[in-house]
Amino acid sequence: GAGVSQSPRYKVAKRGQDVALRCDPISGHVSLFWYQQALGQGPEFLTYFQNEAQLDKSGLPSDRFFAERPEGSVSTLKIQRTQQEDSAVYLCASSLDRVDEQQETQYFGPGTRLLVL
Amino acid sequence: RKEVEQDPGPFNVPEGATVAFNCTYSNSASQSFFWYRQDCRKEPKLLMSVYSSGNEDGRFTAQLNRASQYISLLIRDSKLSDSATYLCVVNPPVDNRLAFGKGNQVVVIP
Repeated sequence: GAGVSQSPRYKVAKRGQDVALRCDPISGHVSLFWYQQALGQGPEFLTYFQNEAQLDKSGLPSDRFFAERPEGSVSTLKIQRTQQEDSAVYLCASSLDRVDEQQETQYFGPGTRLLVL
Repeated sequence: RKEVEQDPGPFNVPEGATVAFNCTYSNSASQSFFWYRQDCRKEPKLLMSVYSSGNEDGRFTAQLNRASQYISLLIRDSKLSDSATYLCVVNPPVDNRLAFGKGNQVVVIP
């Protein structure tokens, strides 16, 4: 079946520009996560949704970062007034749900590679 | 201290050889542990979950040592297609996110 899809795959932005990154999770997946991966590093957690509710946004690096999932399916990560340090790959992941204390497998999309000049 | 520590390498491994690497995690109450594989410019993909009793999947063996808070991965009979970055991943307690290490870069050499 279809996996997690993200668009655009590549984005070049001028410093100060606003960008919007889209994630289409696997159909029926309740949980959605955004991660940021800088060059040579592992992914770092940004935010988590359960359906349309944003339950954890502790990883968002500043108030320039905003995420939403209004209908509990597609999610958008918006970065306002982009800075050079925002250059990274932004990964979206979805999972079916969290069952008891077991972590459901997270399936990752291909990522959006953002370059801020 | 970072939640998950890995020595990034690279680990240059002759084809057919065995390679092993560890990672350590800081939160002793963590419950779920994984190894993800990430190919160059691709997304991470689950390689295997890591259980307390240890588990094996073909040429791959994962071990968990709760007392010392480390996780290991062993790859036997390395293939060229095993060249990738292997990410050690921990699910912190009472949390939904995954905490990743920097990854171990493995290069299998013919």
